[in-house]
Order: sequence, then structure tokens, then C-alpha cells
Amino acid sequence: DVVMTQSPLSLPVTLGQSASISCRSSQSLVYSDGNSYLNWFQQRPGQAPRRLIYKASNRDSGVPDRFSGSGSGTDFTLKISRVEAEDVGVYYCMQGTHWPPITFGQGTRLEIK
Amino acid sequence: QVQLQESGPGLVNPSQTLSLTCTFSGGSISSADYYWSWVRQHPEKGLEWLGYISYSGSTHYNPSLKSRVTISADTSKNQFSLMLRSVTAADTAMYYCAIGGSGTKIDSWGQGTLVTVSS
Repeated sequence: DVVMTQSPLSLPVTLGQSASISCRSSQSLVYSDGNSYLNWFQQRPGQAPRRLIYKASNRDSGVPDRFSGSGSGTDFTLKISRVEAEDVGVYYCMQGTHWPPITFGQGTRLEIK
Repeated sequence: QVQLQESGPGLVNPSQTLSLTCTFSGGSISSADYYWSWVRQHPEKGLEWLGYISYSGSTHYNPSLKSRVTISADTSKNQFSLMLRSVTAADTAMYYCAIGGSGTKIDSWGQGTLVTVSS
């Protein structure tokens, strides 16, 4: 199974500042069609996860453009610029290239300083 | 707009079978190229994928649970279901249903349902 490793696991951020979360996979996530099937999810307190980014860098509809995804191969990054209070929660990366099974990162908890 | 809603008992006795249903609206469960998954989250823990059923009816399960889990679908009701046998306290978790395309795998989630295993 592909192991997804996120860092940091805890991320205190000042309002208005930027935040960056790293996600590394134990194998390249490039599929035979050239896509990297790497999703990013946000889980606010008490809520279900919602997808922010798919195929490593594509923002979902309704997601603020403060959120951006990048990376390829085994290294991926979620960047949040100008962090707002509503961004508090846990962020997960997930790979769907080498499945089954789908595997998730451990989660990164973003909090406001 | 796609909506998913889990339903089922919130309390299950140890050694019994956990049964949950996910009702899908905003489309057809028979739509080509979609995968219907169950994911769970232990209290204050991360996400664990349990398995899927595809648009064609094929299934695949997480090896960690393979012998205890069954996922099925009732296309006439736009529903798919999870059965987890021989549960223990370690199966206490929030259970989510989710849908995704063949590439992205998980696009949307249900709101989740908390299942507690206790006598």
C-alpha cells in the first residue's frame, strides 16, 4: 500500500499569514494517463471532510483561490495564503493512483496563533 | 447537486453486525465511471478507507477488514450499503459514505453517522 506522510502534523498560523502543508507518498503518484491522483481535503471541527484540490493542483468549485495545490511524483504541497479564521481544521491528502486501497495522510491540524 | 446521506443504528452490540445505508440524490447510482466508498474515522483520529462498490457492481475492500466487510448497492433505491460483521469496540467510529470518479476516487462526502459499539 502507498504510505502518505504529511508534515507538519500541527500548524499554528497567524491570521493573514500563509501556511504550507507537505504530503509525500511512498511511490510516485503519476498514473499512466499522466495525471497525479492526489486530493486535498479540509475537515472543519464537527464537519465531514470536503475536497479542496483534485489531481494535485485543480481547485474545486467554490473553494477560495487562497488555496492552491502543487507538486508531482512523490512530493505535494497545499498552500493557504492569507489564512482566515474559517480555515481552522484538519487537512488531509489522499492518493487514488495506486488503488485499492485509497490511502490518506495522517492529517495536519491548522490552528490560529 | 450531489447529496449523500448515511443512515443506520447509532449503537451496535459487540459481536453483532453493523449495517449502514447511504442514499444518493442528485444523480444516478448507476452512472458510469463512479465509485461508491465507505470511509470511517475513529474519534480524534484520521481517515480509513473501508472499500468501494463500482458502477458496474464490482467491489474491493481494505485488506485490514476484508473478511468482515461487505458493500452492496440497490440501484432501484439509489442506495448503497455497508455491513461490518463481528464488531468490537475498536469499530466505534464516524462512518462516511463518499462518491468519486474513476480518477479522483473521492469527490463528495456524506455528513457521516456515528456508530458506537457497546453493550
